[in-house]
Amino acid sequence: DAGVIQSPRHEVTEMGQEVTLRCKPISGHNSLFWYRQTMMRGLELLIYFNNNVPIDDSGMPEDRFSAKMPNASFSTLKIQPSEPRDSAVYFCASSVGVGAGETQYFGPGTRLLVL
Amino acid sequence: AQSVTQPDIHITVSEGASLELRCNYSYGATPYLFWYVQSPGQGLQLLLKYFSGDTLVQGIKGFEAEFKRSQSSFNLRKPSVHWSDAAEYFCGYNTNAGKSTFGDGTTLTVKP
Repeated sequence: DAGVIQSPRHEVTEMGQEVTLRCKPISGHNSLFWYRQTMMRGLELLIYFNNNVPIDDSGMPEDRFSAKMPNASFSTLKIQPSEPRDSAVYFCASSVGVGAGETQYFGPGTRLLVL
Repeated sequence: AQSVTQPDIHITVSEGASLELRCNYSYGATPYLFWYVQSPGQGLQLLLKYFSGDTLVQGIKGFEAEFKRSQSSFNLRKPSVHWSDAAEYFCGYNTNAGKSTFGDGTTLTVKP
């Protein structure tokens, strides 16, 4: 299995530009998670989906952030407009289901730098 | 408030020495606890997890962790550290709804 696939691996953009991060979960996994990792705030859960439906988006920082999961094999996290404080590593993870005992499998992350 | 605390930001041990990374949690019910490891530039990989039963849990790469309810702790241990264990380690828990909370991480440096 290829694992969770994220693209791009690195993104450098200027403030005000739109940024789209992409994630392909492991085949057969029904749950997908988006995390942001920074030195200041650590690893934060932004949003997660189950069966393509957003379950909890309370971690999304503000309206500039949006996430979609149009089908079971693809999700996007969009930032529009981007700001320097959005610079972070964004991880996508997937699991078979949503529940306390489920193991999340993480992708390699997208390192975003907003100038 | 529900939270995970990893008191040690950075730990340095010599190769071959034993290791213990501390983790304390605050949660209103029995937590489902886990430890992940993150190598530089990589995503997180699950080391082990605890739901119930035997409080000593064995994981991959020779790691183990012990759940102590009275101390609200879930410390990670390894009897003999290898240079390849240098990484950042995250403790955390899942709620019944599947929402994960992570600690701030402990960075492990291994001296030759």
